[in-house]
Amino acid sequence: EAQVTQNPRYLITVTGKKLTVTCSQNMNHEYMSWYRQDPGLGLRQIYYSMNVEVTDKGDVPEGYKVSRKEKRNFPLILESPSPNQTSLYFCASSRSGRAFFGQGTRLTVV
Amino acid sequence: AQRVTQPEKLLSVFKGAPVELKCNYSYSGSPELFWYVQYSRQRLQLLLRHISRESIKGFTADLNKGETSFHLKKPFAQEEDSAMYYCALKNTGFQKLVFGTGTRLLVSP
Repeated sequence: EAQVTQNPRYLITVTGKKLTVTCSQNMNHEYMSWYRQDPGLGLRQIYYSMNVEVTDKGDVPEGYKVSRKEKRNFPLILESPSPNQTSLYFCASSRSGRAFFGQGTRLTVV
Repeated sequence: AQRVTQPEKLLSVFKGAPVELKCNYSYSGSPELFWYVQYSRQRLQLLLRHISRESIKGFTADLNKGETSFHLKKPFAQEEDSAMYYCALKNTGFQKLVFGTGTRLLVSP
């Protein structure tokens, strides 16, 4: 079954404590991306990756890092989380505009 | 710059009523347009795409290049249609999707 898996689903952390949200896809897609979803702002792209070792900033990259060492994995790293990064995060992999999304990670930074 | 506008944050209708969720875009080239849907407690999923010209779950959307619109329509809304709907645009030849801010559709019995 084609799917994108991200973990954890829920995370509460404290300001400044580094965290990683994992994302894995089994469709051999080259393009993967991370979004955050905030009320009234819709989905905003944080980072994307065109292929292994090829990543670039999206629309709201500040405070985030990513890596793409393997095709299937695209982790999102928050080196020093702050309360304004409290949000719902989605990973997606896509081909030709058809995007498959993960279940979402609800992150709260206190 | 590419931009997708969904002017309604919330659209509330009664079961059986027609539904139209508005989507306008700005893009200078030849865009590809999509509608994505997010049901309660589920992940976002593709509903339909303009190049397919298909009807999914009774929904249709026609790309109007003159009005730069891609409105989503359904003649008779059902309660199970209640969800968050996102319009999205993609550059032809590129992979990036640009999403609108979404419209929450609430269908009441």
